[in-house]
Amino acid sequence: QVQLQESGPGLVTPSQNLSLNCNVSGGSISSGAYYWSWNRQHPGKGLEWVGFIHYSGSTFYNPSLRSRVTISVDTSKMQFSLKLSSVTAADTAVYYCARVKRYSIEGVWYPYAFDIWGQGITVTVSS
Amino acid sequence: EIVMTQSPATLSVSPGERATLSCRASESVSSNLAWYQQKPGQAPRLLIYSASTRATNIPARFSGSGSGTEFTLTISSLQSEDFAVYYCQQYDNWPPITFGQGTRLEIK
Repeated sequence: QVQLQESGPGLVTPSQNLSLNCNVSGGSISSGAYYWSWNRQHPGKGLEWVGFIHYSGSTFYNPSLRSRVTISVDTSKMQFSLKLSSVTAADTAVYYCARVKRYSIEGVWYPYAFDIWGQGITVTVSS
Repeated sequence: EIVMTQSPATLSVSPGERATLSCRASESVSSNLAWYQQKPGQAPRLLIYSASTRATNIPARFSGSGSGTEFTLTISSLQSEDFAVYYCQQYDNWPPITFGQGTRLEIK
């Protein structure tokens, strides 16, 4: 059974970069059937999609964050990573990694829902 | 960007009764809609995808319906473990993938 586990610093200084990793176990990150996603949840608020990556390196980002987000994958380490630059207090949130199954229609790939989630990691942006 | 609006914000229901949660999309998302359950301190759990298909190991008391812009999650007979926050999410027109603001289901 696939499991996801986030790791990284819980406290980041404003204007610095936020970097998180998600370790994938119990299955292959190199399965072509999935995207690997980062989502976040601000304190007491709803969910926000940050972006996702395919093991081939194809990435898709939320337009609201695109200028500051980079998602990468390391198949040898069975992990994918999030980097969010120039953070502010507004980036304080619980960050979740998640798996997204994908499907193809006439050669175009689309995502399904987020079927497996990590437990989440709380990141606070503060000096 | 497609805006997902859930109603009501809070729903009070007694155990054993039926709960009906609504989700409206600002434009058609076909059947590309999912529902999640989130309990305090936990990650969301996928309940329903493709508007009406239960995810693996989800009890039959959870059902989803709708298409286009109007969707419903029904819990037929509420159990104590069902009191949580529920989110809808569209994956039809993206980026971005968007979520509703959530409905809190509380014990009456």
